[in-house]
Amino acid sequence: AQSVTQLGSHVSVSEGALVLLRCNYSSSVPPYLFWYVQYPNQGLQLLLKYTTGATLVKGINGFEAEFKKSETSFHLTKPSAHMSDAAEYFCAVSPTSGTYKYIFGTGTRLKVLA
Amino acid sequence: DGGITQSPKYLFRKEGQNVTLSCEQNLNHDAMYWYRQDPGQGLRLIYYSQIVNDFQKGDIAEGYSVSREKKESFPLTVTSAQKNPTAFYLCASSAAGNSPLHFGNGTRLTVT
Repeated sequence: AQSVTQLGSHVSVSEGALVLLRCNYSSSVPPYLFWYVQYPNQGLQLLLKYTTGATLVKGINGFEAEFKKSETSFHLTKPSAHMSDAAEYFCAVSPTSGTYKYIFGTGTRLKVLA
Repeated sequence: DGGITQSPKYLFRKEGQNVTLSCEQNLNHDAMYWYRQDPGQGLRLIYYSQIVNDFQKGDIAEGYSVSREKKESFPLTVTSAQKNPTAFYLCASSAAGNSPLHFGNGTRLTVT
């Protein structure tokens, strides 16, 4: 069965510091992977996605993620945190063939310290 | 602009009452979903529909019902059988099984 694990339910970084949010997945087939961001009382917004091809994926707001098959990881990074990055971030895996069930991690709340 | 509209943003109901949450999309997506979000628990799938007039239970369907009479619409009814209905409800849609989900802005339901 597919699963997604996000290490760290809360992460704090200083403004201007590197942001690293961890995501590990398990899947019996090569997955499509997604990162979403959620601001308070809003829906989820797609940050970036990995389908096939280049393993380093660039997204919106300066975020990027690298697909590492050997480590079954898809960690999200941003070189320099901004106050506006404070939000909750979710990693997700696409459905396996024949289903429409996306699998989400439990989320990581990012706090940016001034 | 294409997107998903959920209404209302906030909903208050008394215990024992059924309530229906609206979800409309103009993205021409075949698949639609309902998720429930509680603090610290991520997103849990309630129901999903791949095509008009067809839908499947998700992981926590008990106490909920849906309909999919039109491609654009996927309303969720929270029935009085749902033991703990207070939560944030998110509707989403996708073009195909591997496409990203597009989310609405959610409905926060409070039942007292």
